[in-house]
Amino acid sequence: DTGVSQDPRHKITKRGQNVTFRCDPISEHNRLYWYRQTLGQGPEFLTYFQNEAQLEKSRLLSDRFSAERPKGSFSTLEIQRTEQGDSAMYLCASTIWTEGTEAFFGQGTRLTVV
Amino acid sequence: SQQGEEDPQALSIQEGENATMNCSYKTSINNLQWYRQNSGRGLVHLILIRSNEREKHSGRLRVTLDTSKKSSSLLITASRAADTASYFCATSGSARQLTFGSGTQLTVLP
Repeated sequence: DTGVSQDPRHKITKRGQNVTFRCDPISEHNRLYWYRQTLGQGPEFLTYFQNEAQLEKSRLLSDRFSAERPKGSFSTLEIQRTEQGDSAMYLCASTIWTEGTEAFFGQGTRLTVV
Repeated sequence: SQQGEEDPQALSIQEGENATMNCSYKTSINNLQWYRQNSGRGLVHLILIRSNEREKHSGRLRVTLDTSKKSSSLLITASRAADTASYFCATSGSARQLTFGSGTQLTVLP
């Protein structure tokens, strides 16, 4: 499978615990995005990387959230001290960034904070 | 925050009918894209239209773009039950991210 892969697909955690999600983009893609989606809404931008550099972060990304892409390949998104409001689908997408290229999305990680 | 809004929020049609969804956005764009999402899954790219284009076709899909009105429409012709999904428009502008609307939930009844 050469698509975008996310792991795990589902995560249930207790409030206050830390969680980490992984995204493996399509190998030749230099740009990687993280989005969050709640029920009935469109994806909301969280952050993106160009190779290993994190170039932009949304104000939605509180200091409890951190993302890395250490070697410009896979990326991790960590949420510390989870809150019930963090429950959502976390989507990763990758693209070869030139103007007018499509983004390829993974299947997402569904987080439930209980 | 979301760049735009899709209209209607929900649409229910019979198989074989055409489905039209609209998207409005707020700021200047370089291109506009439409994505489909089946329940609980990731998004799949459908079609991209650049800001200097007015209409584009791909199979049963037809997209129009009116930059003066900051709006786009997606037409799905001869709909099928398998077209049942949520449809999102996404814009790309000076910000290097895709900004999504809130989506239209399409239900095609067999």
